[in-house]
Amino acid sequence: EAGVVQSPRYKIIEKKQPVAFWCNPISGHNTLYWYLQNLGQGPELLIRYENEEAVDDSQLPKDRFSAERLKGVDSTLKIQPAELGDSAVYLCASSFGGETQYFGPGTRLLVL
Amino acid sequence: GQNIDQPTEMTATEGAIVQINCTYQTSGFNGLFWYQQHAGEAPTFLSYNVLDGLEEKGRFSSFLSRSKGYSYLLLKELQMKDSASYLCAVIMNTGFQKLVFGTGTRLLVSP
Repeated sequence: EAGVVQSPRYKIIEKKQPVAFWCNPISGHNTLYWYLQNLGQGPELLIRYENEEAVDDSQLPKDRFSAERLKGVDSTLKIQPAELGDSAVYLCASSFGGETQYFGPGTRLLVL
Repeated sequence: GQNIDQPTEMTATEGAIVQINCTYQTSGFNGLFWYQQHAGEAPTFLSYNVLDGLEEKGRFSSFLSRSKGYSYLLLKELQMKDSASYLCAVIMNTGFQKLVFGTGTRLLVSP
């Protein structure tokens, strides 16, 4: 069974540029999560989707971050414009309902 | 609010046993996960505890005491490949289940 797929794995951009990350969850998983992980820290939830609906986006900085999951499968997380402090690993995870979450390899973002 | 504490770093020797502790203070506790994360890789699921007691899975065991807000992950017969960060994560029931992670414990296994 394929795991959670994310792309790109690495991204280097200059500040003020836009960037987008893509996630394909495990087949059949209706719940999808985006997390941010800073070095030496645990993942922090940015947004949670139940099918197409964002049920928790309270931690998403909405002035520059946006996300979508239009057909309830793949999801995209966007930052526009990126700031230096956005450098981190962006992890996508999926689960069936609220059960065990399985993580993708993450996208490592460096903003210069 | 929530607070999850685990040691920042631990060292151990190959073949030994190590116990990684996690204490938590959360509202609406609904279970606790342990994840393993190698450097530059995704967190991978190790264990889940919702009731008090010990869950054993091969070389890894996890214990939970809900009344004490305490869990530990026990790793036996340590191998070099066990060098990784171990993340304690608590499920909070906030209307739906929300997973809140600790900062992780970096374990270094030496020969």
